Amino acid sequence: GAGVSQSPSNKVTEKGKDVELRCDPISGHTALYWYRQSLGQGLEFLIYFQGNSAPDKSGLPSDRFSAERTGGSVSTLTIQRTQQEDSAVYLCASSLTSGALNEQFFGPGTRLTVL
Amino acid sequence: AQKITQTQPGMFVQEKEAVTLDCTYDTSDPSYGLFWYKQPSSGEMIFLIYQGSYDQQNATEGRYSLNFQKARKSANLVISASQLGDSAMYFCAMKSGGTSYGKLTFGQGTILTVHP
Repeated sequence: GAGVSQSPSNKVTEKGKDVELRCDPISGHTALYWYRQSLGQGLEFLIYFQGNSAPDKSGLPSDRFSAERTGGSVSTLTIQRTQQEDSAVYLCASSLTSGALNEQFFGPGTRLTVL
Repeated sequence: AQKITQTQPGMFVQEKEAVTLDCTYDTSDPSYGLFWYKQPSSGEMIFLIYQGSYDQQNATEGRYSLNFQKARKSANLVISASQLGDSAMYFCAMKSGGTSYGKLTFGQGTILTVHP
């Protein structure tokens, strides 16, 4: 596709349920990032993948959060036993990894609401 | 640790005037990149401009320019000839390290409102 796509665009779930958020990066982009945007915390880094290297998980807020990237392309962010404080917009981005600039291109986000 | 500070929660500007959005940063890494993104009410993050720490000249992209003052650790965004469509949230972000990939650290953002 032309840009980063994310699904679903909106997700409403009940506290305690698990959710999966999907990200399809731009074709050929080897780096993929997950961020979270919430009212109180702004934009926070969660995790990123670069090629076959071990992902940088340093931003994951708890062990309820995990992510995987299959085949170097699509990524899934999983939140287990959701809590109300998990409500936020989850943004995915991708970038090339050659050259100096490598701006990150963002998807439209998934708005997660935990009731 | 990296930190980005945007001290202006909101800014107002008259259409066709120029406006400066402030951004200061802190990092101990000598190699870093500074980015500005625009987020309209629709929610998408739009890349505007980039400045590398070793770049000798200030970056410019159309009506956007980045006033990079390395000694002051500031990277202010200047928008010339503001348009109504410039009304949005603007984020300053930084990536540290010598690799061409890596996480972005964002500031809290500045909401810009352009008046007709």
